[in-house]
Amino acid sequence: GDSVTQMEGPVTLSEEAFLTINCTYTATGYPSLFWYVQYPGEGLQLLLKATKADDKGSNKGFEATYRKETTSFHLEKGSVQVSDSAVYFCALIGGYQKVTFGTGTKLQVIP
Amino acid sequence: NAGVTQTPKFRILKIGQSMTLQCTQDMNHNYMYWYRQDPGMGLKLIYYSVGAGITDKGEVPNGYNVSRSTTEDFPLRLELAAPSQTSVYFCASSLLAGRYNEQFFGPGTRLTVL
Repeated sequence: GDSVTQMEGPVTLSEEAFLTINCTYTATGYPSLFWYVQYPGEGLQLLLKATKADDKGSNKGFEATYRKETTSFHLEKGSVQVSDSAVYFCALIGGYQKVTFGTGTKLQVIP
Repeated sequence: NAGVTQTPKFRILKIGQSMTLQCTQDMNHNYMYWYRQDPGMGLKLIYYSVGAGITDKGEVPNGYNVSRSTTEDFPLRLELAAPSQTSVYFCASSLLAGRYNEQFFGPGTRLTVL
């Protein structure tokens, strides 16, 4: 079946550091890919998405590129802020209505 | 526009008790979902609905029931609570299905079964 693998957390960075959170996937067909963010005490929010190969999703300074050849969708941000501290989930949709989530990566940004 | 709302925020149950987790959305979405989030395990789909009167099982439906009498509401029922059901429960909704399925989540209900 479909699966999403994210890098283990927690990730701790200093403010203004470069962020990469790795995400790779296994899916039948041609999935859509998503990054969701969960701030403390809240539900998940869509951060960005890409629906076809080589698409780049971007939002709030975060970017991720759909790489079909490496089955990856790594999340990057050039300069993180304390307010980016949250849990980040990679997800895919490989079939009708079925979303598969990764286990989440907790990011902590220290001033 | 409140989005997806869930009640209660927190609940402690004793083994064998029952309860209903409430979920309401005001976006006129046809699709609604219940997930549970266990530490280090990501989200698992419990049940989903494609419209009023239509529900179906997800990955982990055992011990739960749902109903969908209106477009807005999608309650989740636990009949005989067990410690294995200790988790954070999220309700979500979406306008579309398939590969463009952006889901909107509620704030969650933290349930502890002792």
